[in-house]
Amino acid sequence: GQQVMQIPQYQHVQEGEDFTTYCNSSTTLSNIQWYKQRPGGHPVFLIQLVKSGEVKKQKRLTFQFGEAKKNSSLHITATQTTDVGTYFCAGTPNDYKLSFGAGTTVTVRA
Amino acid sequence: NAGVTQTPKFRVLKTGQSMTLLCAQDMNHEYMYWYRQDPGMGLRLIHYSVGEGTTAKGEVPDGYNVSRLKKQNFLLGLESAAPSQTSVYFCASSYAGAHETQYFGPGTRLLVL
Repeated sequence: GQQVMQIPQYQHVQEGEDFTTYCNSSTTLSNIQWYKQRPGGHPVFLIQLVKSGEVKKQKRLTFQFGEAKKNSSLHITATQTTDVGTYFCAGTPNDYKLSFGAGTTVTVRA
Repeated sequence: NAGVTQTPKFRVLKTGQSMTLLCAQDMNHEYMYWYRQDPGMGLRLIHYSVGEGTTAKGEVPDGYNVSRLKKQNFLLGLESAAPSQTSVYFCASSYAGAHETQYFGPGTRLLVL
């Protein structure tokens, strides 16, 4: 079955620095979604990418979908303490359900 | 508009006991999902439903049963709890399938001793 892999599992960032987290699938994805989970909270939808090579921005967050639609990335610039949490990517193996990656947990050093 | 709610928020069970987790949504969503979250393993799908009266197995269905008798409710049952079922359980719903945003409930923390 489809597996969605995320790297790195943990990201420790100095406040103000940039970082990128990556998501890779063993099969082609029809779309990919990104979610954020704050410590002690529940996952919250951030964005969905559908088209090959698509790039979307949300303030300091840049999301990209690979040309082959088998990978995606999330780049955060000028990291702030509000960026702390776990970021999940999720792909669609079929029309009914999402397959989530294990997540990248981000901590920020002030 | 409460969104997705889950009860209880926290529960401690002894091995072999049974319990039911309730998920309710007031967004008129067709699809509902049950996930478990364990450290380092992300969200794993237990069961899901594509509409009232329907259920289907996800990645890790063993030891769990579900029912969707009403569109707004999705119940997750543990017939005989085991320590391996200690986890955080999240319910989610979406309007129509995997291409739509999933809205998550606040979660239920379950400890099985």
